[in-house]
Amino acid sequence: AQSVTQLDSQVPVFEEAPVELRCNYSSSVSVYLFWYVQYPNQGLQLLLKYLSGSTLVKGINGFEAEFNKSQTSFHLRKPSVHISDTAEYFCAVSSYNNNDMRFGAGTRLTVKP
Amino acid sequence: KAGVTQTPRYLIKTRGQQVTLSCSPISGHRSVSWYQQTPGQGLQFLFEYFSETQRNKGNFPGRFSGRQFSNSRSEMNVSTLELGDSALYLCASSLEGRRLTDTQYFGPGTRLTVL
Repeated sequence: AQSVTQLDSQVPVFEEAPVELRCNYSSSVSVYLFWYVQYPNQGLQLLLKYLSGSTLVKGINGFEAEFNKSQTSFHLRKPSVHISDTAEYFCAVSSYNNNDMRFGAGTRLTVKP
Repeated sequence: KAGVTQTPRYLIKTRGQQVTLSCSPISGHRSVSWYQQTPGQGLQFLFEYFSETQRNKGNFPGRFSGRQFSNSRSEMNVSTLELGDSALYLCASSLEGRRLTDTQYFGPGTRLTVL
């Protein structure tokens, strides 16, 4: 079975600074990888996903992530964050052969003025 | 197009009771998945329904059950509630539940509190 580890539970950062949210996964089979964002009192919204092909994936709101198979990582980055990016971010993995999606524990990104 | 709707948004029950949560997917979506979100366990997959059939199931006890109707609306039932069932229950819909081509759209969730 696959699993996901988000290495930081909280990431505080100042507005307009770059940010990286780290995600490592483990799986014995090929996987799909996802990043979701959850704003307070809302459901999850898909930021981006890696299915195959180019290892650099661009998503909404200026976010991008890079799939690194050798390091089993899928870190999320944004070159310049805004106050409105304050939210909880979840990395998730789903294997090719089933629809069971496993989520990481989440990283709370707080953007300070 | 309307998003995924979940009712009720908030619910308070006592131990031993049962509860039914409802999810209306985006029009045209046939796959509905349910997740439980708690501070301790995070987001956990409960089950997925497609065309009125349970297609995938997570690792939850039999007290958790669900069903899907012909219009793709889904309900989730939890019987004999325990304090640990207090959580945000999220529903997500997609066209056919295929990770390669479909995107899951999440509802705002139902916050269940068990006293």
